[in-house]
Amino acid sequence: DAGITQSPRHKVTETGTPVTLRCHQTENHRYMYWYRQDPGHGLRLIHYSYGVKDTDKGEVSDGYSVSRSKTEDFLLTLESATSSQTSVYFCAISGNPRGTEAFFGQGTRLTVV
Amino acid sequence: AQSVTQLGSHVSVSEGALVLLRCNYSSSVPPYLFWYVQYPNQGLQLLLKYTSAATLVKGINGFEAEFKKSETSFHLTKPSAHMSDAAEYFCAVSDNAGNMLTFGGGTRLMVKP
Repeated sequence: DAGITQSPRHKVTETGTPVTLRCHQTENHRYMYWYRQDPGHGLRLIHYSYGVKDTDKGEVSDGYSVSRSKTEDFLLTLESATSSQTSVYFCAISGNPRGTEAFFGQGTRLTVV
Repeated sequence: AQSVTQLGSHVSVSEGALVLLRCNYSSSVPPYLFWYVQYPNQGLQLLLKYTSAATLVKGINGFEAEFKKSETSFHLTKPSAHMSDAAEYFCAVSDNAGNMLTFGGGTRLMVKP
């Protein structure tokens, strides 16, 4: 398995609180991604990074921010969590977005109450 | 723009029967196509990928998929279903223009004894 660790694996938080999810890789891959998975929607891209301090928005970026200060770490922050952000979040990595598969972490189940 | 449609959010087959999971895509440039499998409480694992070589692609666990440009399809098949194949399957597309993976909504495969 690709060396990707997501933390925490499960979290319950209250509406309006900030939440940070962490993705750590040991593969030295350039590209890192955050997806959310919701029934019927598959996985939707939130943000991605193509290098240290280089990030860009995905399809569903509203309410989320990211940071990448080191190659191995990619943080996803919900500034003020809402119930609509209850989801399973997956981090993925790839060496190249052009036709190369992404490797996924185990996921973080976030519940906003 | 690119998109993926998976026909049938749930598919049920008997053990030993043919598995057919349908995927149609749209892409303005030649696509790269992927099938991923997700077992309960796990991340996504690559089954197979098409990157403009042979149109019939063989993957792990006896699965294969055929790229048909005229039909914009990339259906996943397996001749004989096993109980262990019960999982959710996702079709995804990217392209050589550097677009990120776009996923279909997923198909949950159930295998009956």
